[in-house]
Amino acid sequence: QLQLQESGPGLVKPSETLSLTCTVSGGSISSSSYYWGWIRQPPGKGLEWIGSIYYSGSTYYNPSLKSRVTISVDTSKNQFSLKLSSVTAADTAVYYCARHSSTVTTHMDYWGQGTLVTVSS
Amino acid sequence: QSVLTQPPSVSEAPRQRVTISCSGSSSNIGNNAVNWYQQLPGKAPKLLIYYDDLLPSGVSDRFSGSKSGTSASLAISGLQSEDEADYYCAAWDDRLNGWVFGGGTKLTVL
Repeated sequence: QLQLQESGPGLVKPSETLSLTCTVSGGSISSSSYYWGWIRQPPGKGLEWIGSIYYSGSTYYNPSLKSRVTISVDTSKNQFSLKLSSVTAADTAVYYCARHSSTVTTHMDYWGQGTLVTVSS
Repeated sequence: QSVLTQPPSVSEAPRQRVTISCSGSSSNIGNNAVNWYQQLPGKAPKLLIYYDDLLPSGVSDRFSGSKSGTSASLAISGLQSEDEADYYCAAWDDRLNGWVFGGGTKLTVL
């Protein structure tokens, strides 16, 4: 059974860079045809797609976040990562990683449990 | 302001049927598959419907999806208290070249 687990600091200071890692188990991140994505949810609000990556490194980003986001993949560790720079309180959210069932335009079928990141000094 | 529009809340009595609407445009729902997610309190979203009307393995057939033009709907029949959750629609948007979600609908089983 495929499992995804987010990890990283739960508290980040304003203007700094938020860094999270998603570790995939029960399957290889290098498997062909799967994209891997990040989604966030501010407290009490809805879901927002951040971006997605293929094991080869091909990426798609939300246009509203593109200037601050970098998603990368480490196939040797079966992980992919998110970096969000110049964070503000508006970036406080639960961050989820997920797998697309195939290409980036397909549904996300497996999700991590999510990790809360608070931006505060 | 979400790209896809859902009612903020719906409510219905147990054993009844409820529908949740999701309205979009030609660049998202009108040209791409719609997915629905169920989010129980404090939990991660769970895929409920994909490719407009398909159920993942293990999802109750009390859930069904449909789409017409630039709108989609999620129907839940035989409502149970365990169905109380937030429901989100999602679709790929060709103009934004990314995923868009509805604002979510909170279902209350009276």
